[in-house]
Amino acid sequence: EAGVAQSPRYKIIEKRQSVAFWCNPISGHATLYWYQQILGQGPKLLIQFQNNGVVDDSQLPKDRFSAERLKGVDSTLKIQPAKLEDSAVYLCASSLRGAKNIQYFGAGTRLSVL
Amino acid sequence: QKEVEQDPGPLSVPEGAIVSLNCTYSNSAFQYFMWYRQYSRKGPELLMYTYSSGNKEDGRFTAQVDKSSKYISLFIRDSQPSDSATYLCAMRRDHAGGTSYGKLTFGQGTILTVHP
Repeated sequence: EAGVAQSPRYKIIEKRQSVAFWCNPISGHATLYWYQQILGQGPKLLIQFQNNGVVDDSQLPKDRFSAERLKGVDSTLKIQPAKLEDSAVYLCASSLRGAKNIQYFGAGTRLSVL
Repeated sequence: QKEVEQDPGPLSVPEGAIVSLNCTYSNSAFQYFMWYRQYSRKGPELLMYTYSSGNKEDGRFTAQVDKSSKYISLFIRDSQPSDSATYLCAMRRDHAGGTSYGKLTFGQGTILTVHP
């Protein structure tokens, strides 16, 4: 079974530029998550989708971050404009719907904002 | 105060040692408790999954949950150099907690090195 795919693996940009990350979840997984992991910290949830609807985006900085999940499969996360403090690894995870709700993570996109 | 506290270490042990990793939490609504292992430049992978209080064993790994003390532990027996990684505790509420029940709250991770 293929895992969660993310691209690009690495991205370096200057502050105030824009950047986009892509995620392809495990086939059949209805729930998709984007987490931000700053160096030395645990992942923090940014946004959760159920199919193509947003379930929780309470910790998404909506003035600069946006995310979409068209057709309930792939998802993109965008930052515009980027700030220095956005330097982090952006992890995508997916899970089957249900109480057990085990989340499987991709390898992440490492963003450096200079 | 963070909802989940985890000693970041780093922790360095010799091969064959017993390793104890711990987390404390403040939110009594957490019902599901997990341990993830994260190798350098990789995503977290699930090691152990426990519902409510009790113990769970899987090979060299044992997870313990004490909800009365809001304390969870992961024990690794006969540790190997391949166990060297960052270990993240994570927890979430029951599905009755609303539509955002899937949200995992993580500790900051403990860096473990097992040297030969």
